[in-house]
Amino acid sequence: SQQGEEDPQALSIQEGENATMNCSYKTSINNLQWYRQNSGRGLVHLILIRSNEREKHSGRLRVTLDTSKKSSSLLITASRAADTASYFCATDASPGGFKTIFGAGTRLFVKA
Amino acid sequence: EAQVTQNPRYLITVTGKKLTVTCSQNMNHEYMSWYRQDPGLGLRQIYYSMNVEVTDKGDVPEGYKVSRKEKRNFPLILESPSPNQTSLYFCASRTMFSRVYEQYFGPGTRLTVT
Repeated sequence: SQQGEEDPQALSIQEGENATMNCSYKTSINNLQWYRQNSGRGLVHLILIRSNEREKHSGRLRVTLDTSKKSSSLLITASRAADTASYFCATDASPGGFKTIFGAGTRLFVKA
Repeated sequence: EAQVTQNPRYLITVTGKKLTVTCSQNMNHEYMSWYRQDPGLGLRQIYYSMNVEVTDKGDVPEGYKVSRKEKRNFPLILESPSPNQTSLYFCASRTMFSRVYEQYFGPGTRLTVT
């Protein structure tokens, strides 16, 4: 069963704008990760936030986590055409954290 | 170069004809996993392995088998493929230590079962 659900399913913005994607999950987690996938290719890890963290930054990426609402958001600031891709959240469900559950993804299109 | 490789990259086969998709990683990772990706469903975990001879089911294991005889290899076996197994398959690996959860993904195998 799918745990993570991304919102929106698709997002189209102009270069230079910010893009915000949201993810909701259902069970307790050890951590939440965001991955990026260029069309039909393998996923690339972007950022991880642990269950005891509320916000994390990495370059133009900002991730927040609200465990009380079981939700996370990924903000990409000053987007570029090269950011066009699908973005997935993934959770390693506790206990153990050996199973990974991905959301359905948000397709981001950045127009130059 | 650290990488996860999969073979074949593309495969068209017929219902019932056994096939194996290979996965190999050169990072000495303990953990390896198989996912399938279908439109609108994201990635769903098929099987994972925490080390040699240690495997467990993910969310969608029906119709698949795996083995982990060597640390670097984690083949996915479809004993009797059916059309509903047409999908894009990804292998991934990560270390089990230091609370590092980043997974490294292979390039994918696009399977069509007719």
